[in-house]
Amino acid sequence: AQKITQTQPGMFVQEKEAVTLDCTYDTSDPSYGLFWYKQPSSGEMIFLIYQGSYDQQNATEGRYSLNFQKARKSANLVISASQLGDSAMYFCAMSSQGSNTGKLIFGQGTTLQVKP
Amino acid sequence: GAGVSQSPSNKVTEKGKDVELRCDPISGHTALYWYRQSLGQGLEFLIYFQGNSAPDKSGLPSDRFSAERTGGSVSTLTIQRTQQEDSAVYLCASSLVGPGGTDTQYFGPGTRLTVL
Repeated sequence: AQKITQTQPGMFVQEKEAVTLDCTYDTSDPSYGLFWYKQPSSGEMIFLIYQGSYDQQNATEGRYSLNFQKARKSANLVISASQLGDSAMYFCAMSSQGSNTGKLIFGQGTTLQVKP
Repeated sequence: GAGVSQSPSNKVTEKGKDVELRCDPISGHTALYWYRQSLGQGLEFLIYFQGNSAPDKSGLPSDRFSAERTGGSVSTLTIQRTQQEDSAVYLCASSLVGPGGTDTQYFGPGTRLTVL
């Protein structure tokens, strides 16, 4: 069975500094996708970044990068130059690309607070 | 373009009543997903539609829950004889093609259901 683990319930970071949000996963599927979503207090889930299991390079999207270590089964999100608007809940999620369903399995989330 | 929309945004109902939640996916997206977010359970997958058929409905918690999709577009999630444990935020997501590849799910704002 697939599982996503986020071990940091809450994190603080000073504005303009970088922060790493941890995510480890467990799957027996050879092909899978890893996603990070941001959920501000307003409630909408905002897609941030995607990493495929066969991608050779770590994904980057603006200030977001994904530190993908396949052998360790980790997919940590790195946010550079934190901004006050980055304060939100962050979810790591996984999908199996070899199955007949694209359902996402989510971790429990990490609440990030950016201090001015 | 327009994102995923859901209605109503909030629904308060009495225990035992039936409720219908609606989802309008992004135009042209063939895959549609329903998830439930509650404090105790986190984010849980409910059902996946490809077009009008549901290849994966493994996450529906009981036979009180049903969903349909018509015209390859709008979807309705129906909960019959609501119970207090059904209180949660119900999220709908759509993606362009469905399982496999780099298909990203985009979420709606959710419907907050409260069962009194």
